[in-house]
Amino acid sequence: EVQLVESGGGLVQPGGSLRLSCAASGFTFSSYWIHWVRQVPGKGLVWVSRIKGDGTSTTYADSVKGRFTISRDNAENTLYLQMNSLRGEDTAVYYCARGGLVGASHYSFDTWGQGSLVTVSS
Amino acid sequence: QSALTQPPSASGSPGQSVTISCTGTSSDVGAYNYVSWYQQHPGKAPKLMIYEVNKRPSGVPDRFSGSKSGNTASLTVSGLQAEDEADYHCSSFAGSNNYVFGTGTTVTVL
Repeated sequence: EVQLVESGGGLVQPGGSLRLSCAASGFTFSSYWIHWVRQVPGKGLVWVSRIKGDGTSTTYADSVKGRFTISRDNAENTLYLQMNSLRGEDTAVYYCARGGLVGASHYSFDTWGQGSLVTVSS
Repeated sequence: QSALTQPPSASGSPGQSVTISCTGTSSDVGAYNYVSWYQQHPGKAPKLMIYEVNKRPSGVPDRFSGSKSGNTASLTVSGLQAEDEADYHCSSFAGSNNYVFGTGTTVTVL
């Protein structure tokens, strides 16, 4: 079974840092683009970042560029999101989501984790 | 990148059809056939229902269908069932390695 499980969320003060993890199983992790998507409770989804299967290419939404860093450890089948200089508007549930196979024209998210809540507040 | 525009709510009686629109621009929905739709029940993760405008993943009932005209994509749920009551989100590739989601629509089965 293809599965993604996030962890690492919690309460952090404005200006602080937090690292989210996403453990993958049931598929060849290194062959896929993986994304982070966030959602303020009760609101719409917002795309945050993506990383290529081998980790050599990353992209970020303008709202997090320079503050967030996406990375992956293919030996551990784990995705990360390092979040620095956190702001109140970063408060959201963060989902990791599987994108397409590297090299394929595939621009949807076919598997999602259960989400991890990040709350930025003093 | 601005969010795609969806109506906040839609509703229908069991057995009826409901159609949700998703309006973007010539830089996202209008430029690519990479529109996808996601169903999200309260407290749950989103689930892919439609990809590449009108393709259904394995296991998604054929009651769900997608289409696109110009800068607007649509999701139609035919033969509404109680379990279809959920939030629905559209998404589009937006070029320059970016993606954009819609504002979300709550579907109520009356």
